[in-house]
This record gives sequence, C-alpha cells and structure tokens, in this order.
Amino acid sequence: DIVLTQSPATLSVTPGESVSLSCRASQGISTSIHWYQQKSNESPRLLIKYASQSISGIPSRFSGSGSGTDFTLSINRVESEDFSVYYCQQSYSLPLTFGSGTKLEIK
Amino acid sequence: EVQLVESGGGLVKPGSSLKLSCVASGFTFSSYGMHWIRQAPKKGLEWIALIYYDSSNKYYADSVKGRFTISRDNSKNTLYLEMNSLRSEDTAMYYCAKGEGYPRYWGQGVMVTVSS
Repeated sequence: DIVLTQSPATLSVTPGESVSLSCRASQGISTSIHWYQQKSNESPRLLIKYASQSISGIPSRFSGSGSGTDFTLSINRVESEDFSVYYCQQSYSLPLTFGSGTKLEIK
Repeated sequence: EVQLVESGGGLVKPGSSLKLSCVASGFTFSSYGMHWIRQAPKKGLEWIALIYYDSSNKYYADSVKGRFTISRDNSKNTLYLEMNSLRSEDTAMYYCAKGEGYPRYWGQGVMVTVSS
C-alpha cells in the first residue's frame, strides 16, 4: 500500500499569512494526489485534484503543486474559514489511501 | 446539484450485521463509480470499498475484505454496504462518495457504533 505522510501535523498561523502543507508518498505516484478540506463535523470537500488542477467553486487562494513523491498544498493569505483539517489522498493504486491530516489552527 | 444521502446506521453488538444505503440524486448515477469511506471518531479517513458504474468490478480494503460487500442498484440510484461480523474497530462515520480515482462529492455520513 502507498503510505502518505503529511507534515506538519498541526500548523498554527495568523489570518492573512500564507502557508504550505506537505504530503510525501512512499513511492512515486506521478500527479495522482488530491487534497481535501474537512471542517469540524462536516464531510470532506475536494480542493485540488491531480496535484495542481483546480476545482470549480473552490477559492483561488488554494493551489497545489508537486509530482513523484512530494506534494504541496498552498493557501495564499489564510482566511478565518480555512481553519480546519486538510488531507491528501492518492489514486495511483488501490487501495486508495489518505494522509493522516494537517490541522490548520489559529495562532 | 449532486446529493448523496446515507442511512441505515446505528448501535449494534459485536458480531452482528448492518446494511447501509446511499441514495444519489443530481447526476447520472449509473455512469459513475462509487466509494465507501469511513472515519473513526477523532481519526483520519479510511477508504474501504469501490464499485464501478456497472458493478463489473469491486474492490475492498484489507480491513473489511470478506466481511463487507459493496453493491448498487442503478434503477434505484442507490449504493449499499452490507457489513457482517462487525467489530468494535468498525465504529465510525461512514460516507458514500461519487467518483472513481478521487471522491468528488461526499454524503453527510451515517454513524455506525459497534459496542456490547
């Protein structure tokens, strides 16, 4: 199974700062990585597909990059509604796997 | 608007069975693969099963293989998850989700608690 390692586990930031969240795969997965946001007591929401492709309805401050084993989700100027947990997920091979998440919290 | 509504959860004893349903609307259900994904309390996301649009292929996580069965009825726009031999570690919120490679839309989830 492909293991996805997200770092850091928790990121404390001030609204208005820009941040980068990391996801590392245990083997090369091309660009088959997707990013989700999950707010407390809500279902996950897809933010980015295939490493860098945007999703309709998602604010442009969210962007993704990377290929192979190292991937990044960037949030340009974090807003109050962005404080939540972020997961990466790979679709390179079954079983689909998720990272353990990065919690973005207010400093 | 895509809508996925799960039902059938509840409190059950270890070793028992339960069948979850997910009714889909707002898209052509019969054209898309569907997933079940779960989340234990205060934990991360775990993919557990995928079914192709025409039921031709079904895949499972090792943690549920042989105990859980994914199925669908395209005439009823409904996805199912039959769960047998339930264990305490199956306690989780269960989500159905649309899409094959990446779950694009998710339901609101249904809680399954396995406890004596």
